Amino acid sequence: DTEVTQTPKHLVMGMTNKKSLKCEQHMGHRAMYWYKQKAKKPPELMFVYSYEKLSINESVPSRFSPECPNSSLLNLHLHALQPEDSALYLCASSQGSVGYTFGSGTRLTVV
Amino acid sequence: AQSVTQPDIHITVSEGASLELRCNYSYGATPYLFWYVQSPGQGLQLLLKYFSGDTLVQGIKGFEAEFKRSQSSFNLRKPSVHWSDAAEYFCAVGSGNTGKLIFGQGTTLQVKP
Repeated sequence: DTEVTQTPKHLVMGMTNKKSLKCEQHMGHRAMYWYKQKAKKPPELMFVYSYEKLSINESVPSRFSPECPNSSLLNLHLHALQPEDSALYLCASSQGSVGYTFGSGTRLTVV
Repeated sequence: AQSVTQPDIHITVSEGASLELRCNYSYGATPYLFWYVQSPGQGLQLLLKYFSGDTLVQGIKGFEAEFKRSQSSFNLRKPSVHWSDAAEYFCAVGSGNTGKLIFGQGTTLQVKP
């Protein structure tokens, strides 16, 4: 298995909702990432988990809450989002910078 | 600080013509370099990567890239472009310590029939 699987592919949520994005990989990678991508822009790093511990938080607002339950799973919990948070959210995994693999993303719309 | 510059925001080429997308990087050590392609609404697909060794790297879909340390460049080339190559192309440099990827602003490729 050489894929990173993200669910759901599309999500529409209200500003008072709580939702979660899920990411799964079975490549044995020990680093997992969340990136946010706005239209016509490059991906921007949000969080890095290394060996299931949060190692980088790029000053992301607390309405985004990451969780790494085990070495194969990465979640992003969403609460009280704003319309400007609408974007493509990409998960990735890697073994260092080798074998960096992206999922196909979750297209999030906040209404 | 690490950075990646893609000087061309938008490039238009005719189908069958050759293509070169430019990428310049700033990095203190030997960089890990990547080229990704993204079709509208899709995730990122890795075209090729450079870590060490041969400076001419072959990738998928007929793409290649050449690492030139003296010019801090990692330009992407394809000898004959197909209409399906129309997409957004991102160059990225990887931090060996954190695994973080730093992306350029991207180049939009349009292919004329």
